[in-house]
Amino acid sequence: GAVVSQHPSRVICKSGTSVKIECRSLDFQATTMFWYRQFPKQSLMLMATSNEGSKATYEQGVEKDKFLINHASLTLSTLTVTSAHPEDSSFYICSAINRDRMSYEQYFGPGTRLTVT
Amino acid sequence: RKEVEQDPGPFNVPEGATVAFNCTYSNSASQSFFWYRQDCRKEPKLLMSVYSSGNEDGRFTAQLNRASQYISLLIRDSKLSDSATYLCVVNMQNSGYALNFGKGTSLLVTP
Repeated sequence: GAVVSQHPSRVICKSGTSVKIECRSLDFQATTMFWYRQFPKQSLMLMATSNEGSKATYEQGVEKDKFLINHASLTLSTLTVTSAHPEDSSFYICSAINRDRMSYEQYFGPGTRLTVT
Repeated sequence: RKEVEQDPGPFNVPEGATVAFNCTYSNSASQSFFWYRQDCRKEPKLLMSVYSSGNEDGRFTAQLNRASQYISLLIRDSKLSDSATYLCVVNMQNSGYALNFGKGTSLLVTP
């Protein structure tokens, strides 16, 4: 199998605080993980590509100082939303590629629903 | 122009009906194509990859037309459990393995 977990599944925080979201590949090694964001009735939008041991690559319009990504091991990537604001409220989903398979298939985590009050 | 475009629907069909979804993509250099299914407030799940020769998986048939940059998904004998949003997904050529998602087409299968 190829299981990806995310923690927490749901978080509510106050404006101005920081929130860390973890993404783990449970039964495979993931050299590359992706972070997406989805607003209601919108498509998933890629925020950044996270490669183990190197800096993340951010998509245009995504502030790297606000959305801190760390991919310290082959099974864990973290996304920290710093100084969160209500407009950051969204569904954040990570995905991972299995390094043993030469394909574009991504395995998605269950998502984290962030609400900033 | 959006990179991946889909008719958002909703498509309301009775059980047993056949329904088809279409998708167009703008980047002619795209190499990999998928249909994902997303249930309300859940993560997307891979339904099937789409191959140049067309492929079938049970009641689901996917077609790719590279010349027209067009992808389709046909669902036969619709079940209530097929109700979901179907996402057309294309790899982002300049971003390695990253994927570009359409907004999705909503399907509701009714009794």
